[in-house]
Amino acid sequence: GAVVSQHPSWVICKSGTSVKIECRSLDFQATTMFWYRQFPKQSLMLMATSNEGSKATYEQGVEKDKFLINHASLTLSTLTVTSAHPEDSSFYICSAIRGGGSAYEQYFGPGTRLTVT
Amino acid sequence: GENVEQHPSTLSVQEGDSAVIKCTYSDSASNYFPWYKQELGKGPQLIIDIRSNVGEKKDQRIAVTLNKTAKHFSLHITETQPEDSAVYFCAASSPFSGGYNKLIFGAGTRLAVHP
Repeated sequence: GAVVSQHPSWVICKSGTSVKIECRSLDFQATTMFWYRQFPKQSLMLMATSNEGSKATYEQGVEKDKFLINHASLTLSTLTVTSAHPEDSSFYICSAIRGGGSAYEQYFGPGTRLTVT
Repeated sequence: GENVEQHPSTLSVQEGDSAVIKCTYSDSASNYFPWYKQELGKGPQLIIDIRSNVGEKKDQRIAVTLNKTAKHFSLHITETQPEDSAVYFCAASSPFSGGYNKLIFGAGTRLAVHP
């Protein structure tokens, strides 16, 4: 399958600081990437859709000023958690669309575990 | 919007037995139904998918069936092995104005395969 990487795999930060998470599609170009959040023993919750060259589309209830998304190129999207607080601690997972038309597939990265102290 | 229900939430089988996980969806416009396997601390791994123009798809020990009329799809794992133990998520596409359907996930099924 296609390869999607995330960096870092885990990060611990202090409350009030900002954290940037990178998502890269390693062997394909992705005009569309998604950012998910997952709490322990729960399903994946879509936060936003990241489109290369345009503004991200956020899901209802997700603060766009807190979770900044930049899709800088066809292989890189970043999620910045600004002014992080303990309640932002979670597992953040990105995914990327490979292919197009009726033959697309969605691949996920390995996730980034964020702990805010 | 789309809603996906997944059952059972937990499933325990003996090695060699079959495991079946079922999902229902609400949006008749959904046309893509992938299944993901997630191991502890890792991202979801795409294991098989099916599109609305196909009723069944098989890949070695894994098969997926789709009933568009009833709006349900199922994952079948035969000859289960301990390494199949993980959380499995079904998903259904939800029409998205950007051109790609965003996925709506089921709640997950925790599968345990006992030696």
